Amino acid sequence: GAVVSQHPSWVICKSGTSVKIECRSLDFQATTMFWYRQFPKQSLMLMATSNEGSKATYEQGVEKDKFLINHASLTLSTLTVTSAHPEDSSFYICSAGGGGGYTDTQYFGPGTRLTVL
Amino acid sequence: GENVEQHPSTLSVQEGDSAVIKCTYSDSASNYFPWYKQELGKGPQLIIDIRSNVGEKKDQRIAVTLNKTAKHFSLHITETQPEDSAVYFCAASINTGNQFYFGTGTSLTVIP
Repeated sequence: GAVVSQHPSWVICKSGTSVKIECRSLDFQATTMFWYRQFPKQSLMLMATSNEGSKATYEQGVEKDKFLINHASLTLSTLTVTSAHPEDSSFYICSAGGGGGYTDTQYFGPGTRLTVL
Repeated sequence: GENVEQHPSTLSVQEGDSAVIKCTYSDSASNYFPWYKQELGKGPQLIIDIRSNVGEKKDQRIAVTLNKTAKHFSLHITETQPEDSAVYFCAASINTGNQFYFGTGTSLTVIP
């Protein structure tokens, strides 16, 4: 079946550093990937829509200069949290799919736990 | 935009009993309704989905019903087991390649 991976699964960094999170569709191509943020005991909040070969579309209130998204290929999207601060600590989840056939739904990655000290 | 409401926020059932989680949506253009199970520290896992041209879908102990007129859909889990304990999210979207709008989640606890 369709598999979406994320790397790293968890990361701890110091305040002010940048962190890159990768999202890969392992056995299918995805022209669109989505990035979500989830706080403890809350629902998934869409941050941005990542489109292969073009600029990402950010949701209202999400700083595009803070959360850099690059969708360089049909199987890889990256989210870079620049100059991370403790309030950026969260669970980040990507999804991909919706392309028809057996991927005619979205599949979610396992998530990346970011802790900023 | 779409607004998805989900109830209850917490649900406790005895092992073997049934559990029902309900969601409503606001956008009549939504035509795809997946349900996800999320265990602590993991990403959401699709457990069942339904499209607007179908009123009910079943997969073993799990079933989903959809009422387009009332704009609500429900998840039914029968013969619950302790391993069913998790947070369940409903979602709605216009086709599968667009943004998913999630409900607020239901924390299900199955008591052995």
